[in-house]
Amino acid sequence: DAMVIQNPRYQVTQFGKPVTLSCSQTLNHNVMYWYQQKSSQAPKLLFHYYDKDFNNEADTPDNFQSRRPNTSFCFLDIRSPGLGDAAMYLCATSRDRGGSKSLHFGNGTRLTVT
Amino acid sequence: AQSVAQPEDQVNVAEGNPLTVKCTYSVSGNPYLFWYVQYPNRGLQFLLKYITGDNLVKGSYGFEAEFNKSQTSFHLKKPSALVSDSALYFCAVRDRASGGSYIPTFGRGTSLIVHP
Repeated sequence: DAMVIQNPRYQVTQFGKPVTLSCSQTLNHNVMYWYQQKSSQAPKLLFHYYDKDFNNEADTPDNFQSRRPNTSFCFLDIRSPGLGDAAMYLCATSRDRGGSKSLHFGNGTRLTVT
Repeated sequence: AQSVAQPEDQVNVAEGNPLTVKCTYSVSGNPYLFWYVQYPNRGLQFLLKYITGDNLVKGSYGFEAEFNKSQTSFHLKKPSALVSDSALYFCAVRDRASGGSYIPTFGRGTSLIVHP
């Protein structure tokens, strides 16, 4: 089955220690998104890629970076995690960026910062 | 910016009874509206959407939603609730993101609890 896979499911890192979360997709979708979700709140968009075109939301902290080396993979790098960055991180894909297609989500990575 | 409101943090219903999860929207122009469901420690799953056409939209797992333009609402409904429907439900509206893309902006979510 075509899907969106996030690794790892659970990640523990220390305060200030860089961490990378990964996402892969077999849907061959053009658009990939990274959302941050805290404690049963609404997911908040951090940034997205349309093909190789990176789009950062205005209020996304500089501490968060992303890479998309090819269509299938996308990475979220947190350069210096703080306690406030503990959250569920969700990767999603969409066939296009027009907003009429549904998003396909991975099962998320739950990040703990100690 | 476009937005949706989910007025209830939690909805409780007995198994077998009909359920409604409420959503109202605020948009300029014609809305694109979505419902997603999230089970514990999982990502969101798409249930249904309204873009245009019939006001009653049918989706996955027996859910449906009615688009009501005069009341600016898009309530999610199911005729007979199952315990397995217990989850977090998000209403969403298409909104403009950076770079010319459109993305769903989510409501704060409603926790549905179905009691046996």
